[in-house]
Amino acid sequence: DTGVSQNPRHKITKRGQNVTFRCDPISEHNRLYWYRQTLGQGPEFLTYFQNEAQLEKSRLLSDRFSAERPKGSFSTLEIQRTEQGDSAMYLCASSFGQGKSYEQYFGPGTRLTVT
Amino acid sequence: AQSVTQLDSQVPVFEEAPVELRCNYSSSVSVYLFWYVQYPNQGLQLLLKYLSGSTLVESINGFEAEFNKSQTSFHLRKPSVHISDTAEYFCAVRVLSGNTPLVFGKGTRLSVIA
Repeated sequence: DTGVSQNPRHKITKRGQNVTFRCDPISEHNRLYWYRQTLGQGPEFLTYFQNEAQLEKSRLLSDRFSAERPKGSFSTLEIQRTEQGDSAMYLCASSFGQGKSYEQYFGPGTRLTVT
Repeated sequence: AQSVTQLDSQVPVFEEAPVELRCNYSSSVSVYLFWYVQYPNQGLQLLLKYLSGSTLVESINGFEAEFNKSQTSFHLRKPSVHISDTAEYFCAVRVLSGNTPLVFGKGTRLSVIA
């Protein structure tokens, strides 16, 4: 069990550019979540997948954001035409969809800075 | 909808002193309750959770939290803190049905002073 990994760990981009982040969940986990954490706030839910199906999207996920999990394994989160307000830590978590707790395991996050 | 309120944004405490980090939640349905810890430049780690049963839950590193349904609280306590406990602590809830996303509070930064 190598845990949830995210790449890159840091990304600096200019306003208007597109960025893509990757999340590799724990291998047997069928659920994958994306959260966003801004300075001084707790993580806020963006979207989640069960296998390759995207089951829920938050109203925070504007049209510029898109997430995929094409083979039910890794996931990508793309932000098009980045804005300064997109600067945040993007967290990925995974869980196994059986049992009571459905405990979510978090990756180290990708810190995005939009200049 | 669920919401979580962490009443203190920062808590400074001297080493070996006791600490309590407060968490209150609001929900019209039953929820699971969690405390996560985030050390500098690291992801969130689960500290402890309440699912059912005994209202007092403990972690392996000396923290404990008590679920109080009447007060809708899940305060985190430690009788004697260590420098290594310095971190950001997040309280979170999730509804019982399905595998739904976590709803987090804004966090409490615990600073342990030598």
